Amino acid sequence: LAKTTQPISMDSYEGQEVNITCSHNNIATNDYITWYQQFPSQGPRFIIQGYKTKVTNEVASLFIPADRKSSTLSLPRVSLSDTAVYYCLGVSTGFQKLVFGTGTRLLVSP
Amino acid sequence: DTGVSQDPRHKITKRGQNVTFRCDPISEHNRLYWYRQTLGQGPEFLTYFQNEAQLEKSRLLSDRFSAERPKGSFSTLEIQRTEQGDSAMYLCASSRPGSTSGANVLTFGAGSRLTVL
Repeated sequence: LAKTTQPISMDSYEGQEVNITCSHNNIATNDYITWYQQFPSQGPRFIIQGYKTKVTNEVASLFIPADRKSSTLSLPRVSLSDTAVYYCLGVSTGFQKLVFGTGTRLLVSP
Repeated sequence: DTGVSQDPRHKITKRGQNVTFRCDPISEHNRLYWYRQTLGQGPEFLTYFQNEAQLEKSRLLSDRFSAERPKGSFSTLEIQRTEQGDSAMYLCASSRPGSTSGANVLTFGAGSRLTVL
């Protein structure tokens, strides 16, 4: 399982775009970059997953460069309700468990 | 699809007592996971079932902890002789048998918060 490194915390304001970068220098060939979001007193929730280039869904975009040593989660026009912890994980297609780090605490202010 | 359900949501107990948590996964998911999360930390893996078979256990899961998944449906996590260090959020998650594209995705429940006095 790829070891990932991401900022401990980030601050933003409502309406801004937030980009959270994750480093995963030793990512394996069959690892997918997967992001989860967690609100206080709730379990993590899957946001987005990608292997390379760009993936977009209704919640976020995920940018993965060609060397796959890093990735960026982009949240467009954040609102107060986007305040949460965001976890970046490298997950292999044959995985048996997820290994979480401490994540990035995003605080969105008015 | 009602999601992953966990019960109870909150449990306060005295040190030395036994506690049991229940998890009802999404019905078509054959994989079930237990995680533990303490304040300020990410979830830590405890154990994993595929159907009724417990396939992996973390070293975090001491002999006071036992998990079962009879008939491959709901699961229980029991903690015997609780200690104050057991205070945490216990999260259950489930996932589908496999994915035709990408890596598997877990659906988590809201968790059961344990406080040991």
